[in-house]
Amino acid sequence: QVQLQESGPGLVKPSETLSLTCAVSGYSFSSGYYWAWIRQPPGKGLEWLGAFYLNGKTFYNPSLKSRLTISVDTSKNQFSLKLTSVTAADTAVYYCARLQHWFRYLDYWGQGTLVTVSS
Amino acid sequence: QSALTQPASVSGSPGQSITISCTGTSSDVGGYNYVSWYQQHPGKAPKLMIYDVSNRPSGVSNRFSGSKSGNTASLTISGLQAEDEADYYCSSYARGDSVLFGGGTELTVL
Repeated sequence: QVQLQESGPGLVKPSETLSLTCAVSGYSFSSGYYWAWIRQPPGKGLEWLGAFYLNGKTFYNPSLKSRLTISVDTSKNQFSLKLTSVTAADTAVYYCARLQHWFRYLDYWGQGTLVTVSS
Repeated sequence: QSALTQPASVSGSPGQSITISCTGTSSDVGGYNYVSWYQQHPGKAPKLMIYDVSNRPSGVSNRFSGSKSGNTASLTISGLQAEDEADYYCSSYARGDSVLFGGGTELTVL
């Protein structure tokens, strides 16, 4: 059974960098699939942030592309998200998930982690 | 890229059927058969309910069904049950290799 678990600071100051990690268990990255980040501001809807594939290719939401980096550590079976120059608008629950080929659907999700941007 | 359009809320009585629409464009919903639907209960992660327009993952009740016509996809829940009360989100592959979500629909079981 594939399981994903997000981790990282729950509080980030404005203008700083938000960094999160997603640990994947029950599945080896080397077997394929895309891996994605999604966020949900409190009381609002879902927003796709981006994804990566093991061939090194990354895909980003155009609205966040200039501030977002997704990377992977295959030795630890985990992937990460870095969002720079954060503001209060970046306060959200951040989810990591497995994304099927052709970006068809997200079949396994982490439980989510709340990140608050505040001084 | 704009979010897909869903009604903010729908409601129905136990045993009834409801349908949630999801409208996009020919660059996303209308152009590909890659529409999916997610159920989200408060404080929980989204759960995949429908993929590739009309397919159900293993373990999802056959009371949930999906369809698509042109730029609009639909999720139908038949035989409404109290446990179906949740938020529902549609999603689609979008041209240019990205994913779009709908704004979400709150389902109330009366």
